[in-house]
Amino acid sequence: DAGVIQSPRHEVTEMGQEVTLRCKPISGHDYLFWYRQTMMRGLELLIYFNNNVPIDDSGMPEDRFSAKMPNASFSTLKIQPSEPRDSAVYFCASRRGFGYIQYFGAGTRLSVL
Amino acid sequence: SQELEQSPQSLIVQEGKNLTINCTSSKTLYGLYWYKQKYGEGLIFLMMLQKGGEEKSHEKITAKLDEKKQQSSLHITASQPSHAGIYLCGADGVGSTSYGKLTFGQGTILTVHP
Repeated sequence: DAGVIQSPRHEVTEMGQEVTLRCKPISGHDYLFWYRQTMMRGLELLIYFNNNVPIDDSGMPEDRFSAKMPNASFSTLKIQPSEPRDSAVYFCASRRGFGYIQYFGAGTRLSVL
Repeated sequence: SQELEQSPQSLIVQEGKNLTINCTSSKTLYGLYWYKQKYGEGLIFLMMLQKGGEEKSHEKITAKLDEKKQQSSLHITASQPSHAGIYLCGADGVGSTSYGKLTFGQGTILTVHP
């Protein structure tokens, strides 16, 4: 398997623009996670899905952030409008379930100018 | 909610030295996972521990879970510059809003000087 695939790897945008991050989980994995990592705050869980249904979105910073999982093989994280403080590395991860290994994508480095 | 405390927060060692990173939980650990991350890259899975007293090794890295399942350690023998990075422990959550997700410690930054 190719692992968790994220795109783009790097994104540079201007404040106020819409940003969409994409993730393809490993086939057969029922759980999908979106994380944000910064030097100041470390690794933060934003939202996670089970069987395409959002389970816990308490980590989503504010209404500017939204995530969808229209099917088992694709998820998006959207920021609209983007702000400089959103600059971070965003990771997607997937796992089969409780007691199974969680695999991470390579991340998307977002810079909002 | 379950919290994981890692120590030390950062560690600087000379190549060839042994080192240990600890991960302590406020609750019983049902599954403990160790990951390594190089700057700017994704987290790479190292080892998983599930049973009290369990110990696993891969190359020069050994992970242990204590009998009470509340503390885990990661030991590196004869460290090399390739071991440098951020080490994170993660644990399976329990409870209606935690099931299926991992809670992570804050990470330990390891620097190995040649």
